[in-house]
Amino acid sequence: DIQMTQSPSSLSASVGDRVAITCRASQTIINYLNWYQQRPGKAPKLLIYAASTLESGVPSRFTGSGSETDFTLTINGVQPEDVATYYCQQSYGAPWTFGQGTKLEIK
Amino acid sequence: QITLKESGPTLVKPTQTLTLTCSFSGFSLSANGVGVGWIRQTPGKALEWLALIYWDDDKRFSPSLKSRLSITKDTSKNQVVLTMTNMDPGDTATYYCARRRGITVRGITITAFDYWGQGMLVTVSS
Repeated sequence: DIQMTQSPSSLSASVGDRVAITCRASQTIINYLNWYQQRPGKAPKLLIYAASTLESGVPSRFTGSGSETDFTLTINGVQPEDVATYYCQQSYGAPWTFGQGTKLEIK
Repeated sequence: QITLKESGPTLVKPTQTLTLTCSFSGFSLSANGVGVGWIRQTPGKALEWLALIYWDDDKRFSPSLKSRLSITKDTSKNQVVLTMTNMDPGDTATYYCARRRGITVRGITITAFDYWGQGMLVTVSS
């Protein structure tokens, strides 16, 4: 199985800050990487697929980058509604695996 | 509007079999590239993919759980059923079903879960 490792496990930011979450795969996954946002008490929501393509309706302050084994989710100008846990997921092949999550809090 | 909803027992005893139903609307599981998957989230919050059934009835299972899982679809009812045998307290989790969308990237079709059900907590306890 491909292991996905996210860092940090949690972070705290002020409204308007730029934050970055990284995700590392245990082997190359090209750019077959998705990002999800899970708000408290809700189901995960697809934010970005294929490493950098924004899902329809997702605010443009979210950007994804990276390739091979190292990927980054950046939020430019954090908003209060961005409080959530963010997960990466490799889509290189089954079994599809997720990172352990990064919890974003607002200061 | 695409919606999915999980249903089934919220409490099962150890060694029992869990049967969960995903009822969906707004898309067809006959459409090329579409699938429905099951993902669970343990109280420690990790997400674990379990199984996926494709529009053409092809199926994929988590290798670590393959011997305990089965997945079927009823296209006419817009339902997918997951069965997990020999339940253990370690299987206590919130179970989600989600639509699989096939996305073509550089000629390769990858999997993203683009719509999720609300999830249901299943507790395994005697």
